[in-house]
Amino acid sequence: SQQGEEDPQALSIQEGENATMNCSYKTSINNLQWYRQNSGRGLVHLILIRSNEREKHSGRLRVTLDTSKKSSSLLITASRAADTASYFCATAPDDYKLSFGAGTTVTVRA
Amino acid sequence: DTEVTQTPKHLVMGMTNKKSLKCEQHMGHRAMYWYKQKAKKPPELMFVYSYEKLSINESVPSRFSPECPNSSLLNLHLHALQPEDSALYLCASSHLGLAGSNEQYFGPGTRLTVT
Repeated sequence: SQQGEEDPQALSIQEGENATMNCSYKTSINNLQWYRQNSGRGLVHLILIRSNEREKHSGRLRVTLDTSKKSSSLLITASRAADTASYFCATAPDDYKLSFGAGTTVTVRA
Repeated sequence: DTEVTQTPKHLVMGMTNKKSLKCEQHMGHRAMYWYKQKAKKPPELMFVYSYEKLSINESVPSRFSPECPNSSLLNLHLHALQPEDSALYLCASSHLGLAGSNEQYFGPGTRLTVT
């Protein structure tokens, strides 16, 4: 079942700009993850943030988690054409199951 | 080797056919997963195997039959599918036993078309 909801559904930005997308979820979690999917291909894990963490960085990615609001955000700084993809948040209520949000489609214009 | 491979990449089958999708990983992961993804939708979990045993079946119709012959291989046997089963089928794997840490590695998927 789909637990995470993401907004916006779609985002179009100029190369070099930042992209921010948000994810809200409903139940308690062990961790929240973000994945990227290029058109019609498999998903690539980007970053995992545990329920006791508030912020995490990985390269040009910054993720925040607010468990009191049951929400997370993903910021991509200095976007590139290669960042064009769909981005999904996924919540992990236990060690095995991932429940994916609806996804945000990001288009980076040259 | 951090790769999950899936074969075939594309599959077209009739509703009376029997076919199988295959997935392989050599990362020592003891959890393996099948997901189904329709166009412009998120992946939906179908099955989870842990230590080669089926641990989760998300109420998937019996025309989909998973199999885990060993810790590196995962199959999905297909029989009497319906056109609405056309989708991208994704395999994934992860470590087990690390509480709060189950990053999954995905294969490129099999694009299935049922005619």
